[in-house]
Amino acid sequence: DTEVTQTPKHLVMGMTNKKSLKCEQHMGHRAMYWYKQKAKKPPELMFVYSYEKLSINESVPSRFSPECPNSSLLNLHLHALQPEDSALYLCASSRDRGWTDTQYFGPGTRLTVL
Amino acid sequence: SQQGEEDPQALSIQEGENATMNCSYKTSINNLQWYRQNSGRGLVHLILIRSNEREKHSGRLRVTLDTSKKSSSLLITASRAADTASYFCATDGNNAGNMLTFGGGTRLMVKP
Repeated sequence: DTEVTQTPKHLVMGMTNKKSLKCEQHMGHRAMYWYKQKAKKPPELMFVYSYEKLSINESVPSRFSPECPNSSLLNLHLHALQPEDSALYLCASSRDRGWTDTQYFGPGTRLTVL
Repeated sequence: SQQGEEDPQALSIQEGENATMNCSYKTSINNLQWYRQNSGRGLVHLILIRSNEREKHSGRLRVTLDTSKKSSSLLITASRAADTASYFCATDGNNAGNMLTFGGGTRLMVKP
């Protein structure tokens, strides 16, 4: 099973809402990632978890709060977002954080902030 | 800022033709990867080439890497309509760990 799943597929939220994005993989991977992708732009790395610990935070605003409850799950908690945060949010996983480890991506959550 | 820049930004060809996309990057790397993304969906890993490799093949894909010029190319031979997608190169920037920086992407359209 080389699948990374993400829920929900689409999310519309207001600026005062609190919501969460979920990502799951059952490949035994120990590194998981959140990326943000605006339309017609490349993905940009937000967070990296390695062995359930946050190892990299690419200067992401605190209104985005990641959580890794266990080795298979990765959440992204959203609070007080801005309209410019509307984007495709992609989750990925890899066996480890090694340089030759392929990252497997989920289908993404399309987020719209009103 | 983007580590990789891709050229062309958009490419339109007929089915059966070959498609070539180029990627340039700025810093030294351990490896370079190519990904495909169908419209609005997740990325699919295509191929990884290490910094000590010059060429790699996978089915109809051929990737070259020139570290002296800090550039890579992806060739898709005998293209099909199903190859229509955006293609991104991604580098690890020789940093500690699998932190990928993606190029701007090439949007390929293959007309039947």
